[in-house]
Amino acid sequence: GAGVSQSPRYKVAKRGQDVALRCDPISGHVSLFWYQQALGQGPEFLTYFQNEAQLDKSGLPSDRFFAERPEGSVSTLKIQRTQQEDSAVYLCASSPRDKAYEQYFGPGTRLTVT
Amino acid sequence: AQRVTQPEKLLSVFKGAPVELKCNYSYSGSPELFWYVQYSRQRLQLLLRHISRESIKGFTADLNKGETSFHLKKPFAQEEDSAMYYCALLMDSNYQLIWGAGTKLIIKP
Repeated sequence: GAGVSQSPRYKVAKRGQDVALRCDPISGHVSLFWYQQALGQGPEFLTYFQNEAQLDKSGLPSDRFFAERPEGSVSTLKIQRTQQEDSAVYLCASSPRDKAYEQYFGPGTRLTVT
Repeated sequence: AQRVTQPEKLLSVFKGAPVELKCNYSYSGSPELFWYVQYSRQRLQLLLRHISRESIKGFTADLNKGETSFHLKKPFAQEEDSAMYYCALLMDSNYQLIWGAGTKLIIKP
């Protein structure tokens, strides 16, 4: 079946631009996670949704970052006024349960801010 | 503070040799640990969980609470094991994972 998909796969933004990254989780998956992965590092937790509720956004690095999942399916991570330090791979994962077990990852979106 | 440390950024061994990927953690709660793997041009995927105590693709990992370690081992490495390996710690919240920086494993023919 279809796995987690993310779009775009690559995004180049000029500093100061706004970007929107999309995640399509596996159908029926309750939990959705966003991670930021800088070069040479492991993923870092950004935020967690259980259905449409954003239960934890403690990992969002600044108020320029905003995530939503309005209908409990597709999620969008928005970054306003991008900065060079935002350059990273943004990973989305979904899970069939309300826990982080069995996370299924998307291919990621590589964001480069110039 | 909670932390996962993978001391080796790169590990290179010959095919058929034993391999051990190190993972140490720091956590005051009850740890639950995972190994994830990312093969070239593929997405991250779960390799194994300590709680299931199973062997996947010949890999095993034992949680040692005394040494706060969760090292990944395989007795005879194969070329297809070449990949990035990440150790991750699940917080008590049950949804937040803390990740190590990863170890790149290269199996030489």
